Amino acid sequence: GNSVTQMEGPVTLSEEAFLTINCTYTATGYPSLFWYVQYPGEGLQLLLKATKADDKGSNKGFEATYRKETTSFHLEKGSVQVSDSAVYFCAPKKTSYDKVIFGPGTSLSVIP
Amino acid sequence: DAGITQSPRHKVTETGTPVTLRCHQTENHRYMYWYRQDPGHGLRLIHYSYGVKDTDKGEVSDGYSVSRSKTEDFLLTLESATSSQTSVYFCAISERVMSNQPQHFGDGTRLSIL
Repeated sequence: GNSVTQMEGPVTLSEEAFLTINCTYTATGYPSLFWYVQYPGEGLQLLLKATKADDKGSNKGFEATYRKETTSFHLEKGSVQVSDSAVYFCAPKKTSYDKVIFGPGTSLSVIP
Repeated sequence: DAGITQSPRHKVTETGTPVTLRCHQTENHRYMYWYRQDPGHGLRLIHYSYGVKDTDKGEVSDGYSVSRSKTEDFLLTLESATSSQTSVYFCAISERVMSNQPQHFGDGTRLSIL
């Protein structure tokens, strides 16, 4: 079946450190790929997306590149801030119907 | 922000009682979803709707029912709540079936079954 694997959390980083959150997926067809972010007490928000191979999604200093050959969509940020503390979800979306498969989420804590 | 309102935001109730959660949207989006979020499981789809009176089951639908009599409202009902249904419930909406369209989420309902 379709599935998503994200790196285990929680991840704790110092402010201005480099962030990588790994995500790999299995899916039939040719999905679009999304990263969502969930701040404490809130629902998920779209962070970035990529819709075809080699596309790079970017937003708020975060980036992720759609790697079809490795079925990966790793999230990166060059310099994290305390305000980036949240839970991050990788989510491929199937083309055949409008559903999203969510990874388990990776909790990030950034300390000053 | 997408116009999605979940109610109630918090609820505590007893095992065996019926519970209904409401999701209301002002975006006129066709697709609506109910998820539950639990530690270690991420988000799991309970039910979804692809139009008025058109619903289907997700991966964890046992013990839940839904109804959609109007485009803007999607109700999730626990007919007889159990402690295993203690969770945070999220509603989401999506405009079209195309794969490149994201979902938009409400702020969640925290439900505790004692």
